[in-house]
Amino acid sequence: GAGVSQTPSNKVTEKGKYVELRCDPISGHTALYWYRQSLGQGPEFLIYFQGTGAADDSGLPNDRFFAVRPEGSVSTLKIQRTERGDSAVYLCASSRLVNTEAFFGQGTRLTVV
Amino acid sequence: AQTVTQSQPEMSVQEAETVTLSCTYDTSESDYYLFWYKQPPSRQMILVIRQEAYKQQNATENRFSVNFQKAAKSFSLKISDSQLGDAAMYFCASVPGGATNKLIFGTGTLLAVQP
Repeated sequence: GAGVSQTPSNKVTEKGKYVELRCDPISGHTALYWYRQSLGQGPEFLIYFQGTGAADDSGLPNDRFFAVRPEGSVSTLKIQRTERGDSAVYLCASSRLVNTEAFFGQGTRLTVV
Repeated sequence: AQTVTQSQPEMSVQEAETVTLSCTYDTSESDYYLFWYKQPPSRQMILVIRQEAYKQQNATENRFSVNFQKAAKSFSLKISDSQLGDAAMYFCASVPGGATNKLIFGTGTLLAVQP
């Protein structure tokens, strides 16, 4: 596609449930990033992939959060046993190389009720 | 660790006027990049302008320019001839130089443009 695509656009889930958020980066972009944006805040870094491997996962808040990128393209952010505090917009970005401009998707708004 | 501070939660400007958004940052890195991103209601972060810390000259992109004061660790954004479409959240961000795009964002400034 022309840009970074994130699905679903919005997701409402019950506390304790498992959710998966998908990111489809721009074709040919080797680097992929996940950020979390809580209400009234700037985005916070979660994890960064270079190819298939997670090069830096220092921003993942706890072991309920996990992300994969098995073929070096699409990535999935997985959240287990969701909590109300996980409610936020989850943004994905990709860049051709690690130090070139990052392009963002429109995010997934996750609401945990 | 890098930090980015935006002290103006909201700003307002008349259409066709000029507005300046403030940003300060703190870093121990000698090599880093600074950015301004625009986030409209669509939620998509759009790069407005980028500044390499090693460059003395302030970056300019059409109606958008920055005032980069390295010693003061200040990085303000000036929007000239403001347009209704400029209304959005604006985020200042930094990233250390080298092999990463791990952006550190400020808390944002909501810009309203009055017709």
